[in-house]
Amino acid sequence: GAVVSQHPSWVICKSGTSVKIECRSLDFQATTMFWYRQFPKQSLMLMATSNEGSKATYEQGVEKDKFLINHASLTLSTLTVTSAHPEDSSFYICSASGRAVYEQFFGPGTRLTVL
Amino acid sequence: RKEVEQDPGPFNVPEGATVAFNCTYSNSASQSFFWYRQDCRKEPKLLMSVYSSGNEDGRFTAQLNRASQYISLLIRDSKLSDSATYLCAVNADRGSTLGRLYFGRGTQLTVWP
Repeated sequence: GAVVSQHPSWVICKSGTSVKIECRSLDFQATTMFWYRQFPKQSLMLMATSNEGSKATYEQGVEKDKFLINHASLTLSTLTVTSAHPEDSSFYICSASGRAVYEQFFGPGTRLTVL
Repeated sequence: RKEVEQDPGPFNVPEGATVAFNCTYSNSASQSFFWYRQDCRKEPKLLMSVYSSGNEDGRFTAQLNRASQYISLLIRDSKLSDSATYLCAVNADRGSTLGRLYFGRGTQLTVWP
């Protein structure tokens, strides 16, 4: 099956720092990648949709200047949380689709804790 | 109104029980439907797609009712290992958001011995 990796799996940082999370499709070309955030006992909330070579489309209420997304190749998308604050602490998950547009494969997630 | 509404749960059932989850969706143009399983502190994993004619995979049966706009998941002969959160997902089919999935909040299932 399709494999999506995410790095790092967890990160702890100080308030005000920036954190970059990488999402890679290992065995297929991902034309579209999605970034989600999940707070404890909540559902997945889509933050943005990223298509290779174009600007990401952000969901309402998600600050594009705070959550920078880059999708420079068909196998890599990055999410940078700039000037992170404790309220940004969450589980960030990416997913990728490519072979069939409605089929998404999830990365293992990155647990971000901002002190 | 939310795109996808899901049974709140939690469901606590004994081993061997049959349990059913439902999920309703608001966009009648939706074409693809899925059930995902998410274990604690892990990413969602696709359990099964839901087809118009209904489909079965071992102890799991998924059904789609387009008229009433809901999907269901039936688990027969529950195992301890079925304990997890089950998320339904429905695709969006509008222009630039093609391929986007809307997720339900998830239903937590605990199977006890």
